[in-house]
Amino acid sequence: EDQVTQSPEALRLQEGESSSLNCSYTVSGLRGLFWYRQDPGKGPEFLFTLYSAGEEKEKERLKATLTKKESFLHITAPKPEDSATYLCAVPRYGGATNKLIFGTGTLLAVQP
Amino acid sequence: ETGVTQSPTHLIKTRGQQVTLRCSSQSGHNTVSWYQQALGQGPQFIFQYYREEENGRGNFPPRFSGLQFPNYSSELNVNALELDDSALYLCASSLAGHIEAFFGQGTRLTVV
Repeated sequence: EDQVTQSPEALRLQEGESSSLNCSYTVSGLRGLFWYRQDPGKGPEFLFTLYSAGEEKEKERLKATLTKKESFLHITAPKPEDSATYLCAVPRYGGATNKLIFGTGTLLAVQP
Repeated sequence: ETGVTQSPTHLIKTRGQQVTLRCSSQSGHNTVSWYQQALGQGPQFIFQYYREEENGRGNFPPRFSGLQFPNYSSELNVNALELDDSALYLCASSLAGHIEAFFGQGTRLTVV
């Protein structure tokens, strides 16, 4: 069964303290992996798409990487405004349907 | 370019009632998917619409139904509401054949 697992469930950092979030997946025929940011009570905001192992993408203080089994979201020198839930998801195809399978997210809190 | 918009943002319903949620897709996007996100969980796929037809469904009962209109906007209808239907309902739009999906801000449904 396709599965996406994120760790840790919650992470508390001091401003400027770099860290990484993990997303591991067990799917066959990976066609991409997405990272989203979600603020409380809001919809997920698209951050990155990674298509193949070895690929990296960066946006401001965030860098996403992908291996054959997992993805990491590296946060360098975070600021309080980076506090949010970070979700990863993989697309699955079944017939004409393209759906996303999400992990449960990592709740990041950055304290000033 | 307009993003995905959902209405209403919040609503409260009584158990047994029916509810309709609405979604306008991002400009040019012809595929709409609906997701349910319970508190502390990742979004779960409900169903997807393309060319005004449902072309895939997740593990949700038939009392969850939908429509897509010629302008690609969509509705999610839930009959016989149950307390467990309380969640954030998310609409995502995409272009057929493209894997990136972009989400609206969600509708927070509370069933009492």
